[in-house]
Amino acid sequence: EIVLTQSPATLSLSPGERATLSCRASQSVSDYLAWYQQKPGQAPRLLIYDASNRATGIPARVSGSGSGTDFTLTISSLEPEDFAVYYCQQRRNWPLTFGGGTKVEI
Amino acid sequence: QVQVVESGGGVVQPGGSVRLSCAASGFIFNKHGIHWVRQAPGKGLEWVAFIRYDGINKYYADSVRGRFTISRDNSNNTLFLQMNSLRTEDTAVYYCAKNRETYYDSSPFDIWGQGTMVTVSS
Repeated sequence: EIVLTQSPATLSLSPGERATLSCRASQSVSDYLAWYQQKPGQAPRLLIYDASNRATGIPARVSGSGSGTDFTLTISSLEPEDFAVYYCQQRRNWPLTFGGGTKVEI
Repeated sequence: QVQVVESGGGVVQPGGSVRLSCAASGFIFNKHGIHWVRQAPGKGLEWVAFIRYDGINKYYADSVRGRFTISRDNSNNTLFLQMNSLRTEDTAVYYCAKNRETYYDSSPFDIWGQGTMVTVSS
C-alpha cells in the first residue's frame, strides 16, 4: 500500500498570504495524484488532478506541482473560503489511498 | 445537474448488516466507475471500494474485504454497498464518488454525494 504523508498537519495563516502544502508518497505515484478540499459538514471537492491540472471551476490561485514522490499544493493568496482541510490522494496503485490531511486555519 | 445521493445509513448493532444506496443523475452512469469512501468522526478520508462501469472489476480496502460487497444497477443508475459483520470501527460517513473519466478504473473523483452516516453501536 502506498502511504501518503501530508505536512504540516495544521497551517495557520491570514487572508492574502500564500499557502504551501506538501504531500509525500512512500513510493512513486508518477503524476497520479489529486488534491481535495473539505469544509466542515461538507463533502470533499476535487481541486487538482494528475498533480497539476485544475478541476472545473477551480480558481487560478490554486495550483499543484510535483511528480514521483513529492507534491505541492499552493494557494497563492488565501481567500476566506480557502480555510479548510486539504487531502491528497493517489490513484497509481490499488488500494487507493489518501493522506492524513492538512488543516489551513486562520 | 450532475449529482449522486446516498441513503440507507443509520444505527446498527455490532455484527449486523446494512445496505447503502447511491442514486446517480445528470451523467451517463454506465460509463463511469464509482467508489465508496468513508470518514470516521473527526478523522480523515478512507477509500473503501470501487466498481467498474460495467460491474465486472471490483476492488476493496483490506479493512472491509470479505465483509462488504459493492454492486451496481445500471438500468436504475444506482450503486450499492452491502455491509455485513459490522464493527464499531466501521462507524463513519459513507460517501459515493464518481470517476472523472469514462471507462477508466483509476480516475480522480470529481463528484461526491453528501454522505450517509452509519453508526455501529450496541
